[in-house]
Amino acid sequence: AQKVTQAQTEISVVEKEDVTLDCVYETRDTTYYLFWYKQPPSGELVFLIRRNSFDEQNEISGRYSWNFQKSTSSFNFTITASQVVDSAVYFCALSQNRDDKIIFGKGTRLHILP
Amino acid sequence: DAGVIQSPRHEVTEMGQEVTLRCKPISGHDYLFWYRQTMMRGLELLIYFNNNVPIDDSGMPEDRFSAKMPNASFSTLKIQPSEPRDSAVYFCASRGDREEKLFFGSGTQLSVL
Repeated sequence: AQKVTQAQTEISVVEKEDVTLDCVYETRDTTYYLFWYKQPPSGELVFLIRRNSFDEQNEISGRYSWNFQKSTSSFNFTITASQVVDSAVYFCALSQNRDDKIIFGKGTRLHILP
Repeated sequence: DAGVIQSPRHEVTEMGQEVTLRCKPISGHDYLFWYRQTMMRGLELLIYFNNNVPIDDSGMPEDRFSAKMPNASFSTLKIQPSEPRDSAVYFCASRGDREEKLFFGSGTQLSVL
C-alpha cells in the first residue's frame, strides 16, 4: 500500500522567513515518483516538481528547494525568504510506478504574513 | 491547448438529485483521473482511466458514484442520489504517456443542500 503523510496541517510564518514543509511517504516498491503541487487561493493545482526514487540529489529552483532522503522516506520542501505570494496549500504526492495512480497527502496550508 | 476543461464550475443541488460532472482531458492524453477535495480528507483519488478503460475505482465512495469515459475526449462522474456529504470540489486531471505531471482542471465546486 502507498501512503503520504503531511503532518503539518497549517503553518504561519512572517515574510522573509524560511519555512520547511514535511512529507513522509510509504511504499513497498523500489521504483516510485514523488511530487509537490501548489494550490493558491484561486484553487488551481500547480505542478512544482517530480522526483524519481533513483535520484536522491537535492533540487533547487530559485527560492524553492527539495530534500529527498530515502533513508527516512521523506521528501521535504523548503521555501527560502518566503513571500506573501507563497501563501497556498501545498500537496506532496506519490505514485508507485510510471503508469500508476498518484496519491496525495492531505496538504499543508501555508500562511505568509506580511 | 485549452487545458483540462471541467463543467460546470459550480453546482448547487438538493439532496436526492442526480449530479453529473463533466471533463474534457487534454487532447492526446492517455490517462484521466477524478479527484475529490475536502477539508477533512484532502485530495482523494476516486478513479482513473487509461485509454478510456477504468483501471482503479477503489476510491469511489459507494455505489451512488459512477464514472464513464465513452471516448478519449470526454468523461463523466455521476452521483445518484446526491447527499450533503458529497459536497466538495471535484477535480479532473489528465496526463500523457510521456508526461511527468498531471494537468488539472479548474474543478467543480459541488454543494448538496
